[in-house]
Amino acid sequence: AQTVTQSQPEMSVQEAETVTLSCTYDTSESNYYLFWYKQPPSRQMILVIRQEAYKQQNATENRFSVNFQKAAKSFSLKISDSQLGDTAMYFCAFIISGSARQLTFGSGTQLTVLP
Amino acid sequence: GAGVSQSPRYKVAKRGQDVALRCDPISGHVSLFWYQQALGQGPEFLTYFQNEAQLDKSGLPSDRFFAERPEGSVSTLKIQRTQQEDSAVYLCASSFSRRTAYEQYFGPGTRLTVT
Repeated sequence: AQTVTQSQPEMSVQEAETVTLSCTYDTSESNYYLFWYKQPPSRQMILVIRQEAYKQQNATENRFSVNFQKAAKSFSLKISDSQLGDTAMYFCAFIISGSARQLTFGSGTQLTVLP
Repeated sequence: GAGVSQSPRYKVAKRGQDVALRCDPISGHVSLFWYQQALGQGPEFLTYFQNEAQLDKSGLPSDRFFAERPEGSVSTLKIQRTQQEDSAVYLCASSFSRRTAYEQYFGPGTRLTVT
């Protein structure tokens, strides 16, 4: 079974600063995807960034980037130039490649961007 | 195009009542997932459909939970004899195919409160 662990229930950052959210996971699979989702109070789950495990290069999407350490089973999210609209719950998630299996989510990190 | 829609957005039920939650996936999406998200937690898998076939219902917490997708499009999650522990947000997600389950699009969720 796969598990995803987010050890930071809450974090805060000043506007325009950089913050890193941590995630570790456990699996015996070699091919999988990792994700960071953002969930604002509206509850809409929004995909922030996706990383394919076979790709060594870390994924980036504008102000969002990841540090993927496959051997350590670590997948952290870095948010640069934080904006007030980044305030949300952030979930790390995992899915096995090529399967119809469900996403496995961590327990989330509540990020608050302070003005 | 239209995204995944869910209705109602909010539902209050008295303990013991039956409820039905609806999900309209993105048109043409073959795969449909239901997740349950307790307050302050990450979503947890309930069940998965490929077209009208329910291929995995391992996450349904009890036999009071029942899901269907009779025509391979709209899905309904039914909870019979609701209990207080059923209070949660119920999220629906769809993907184009089984092979693209790594690209799930989420609806806004239904918040169920059992009093």
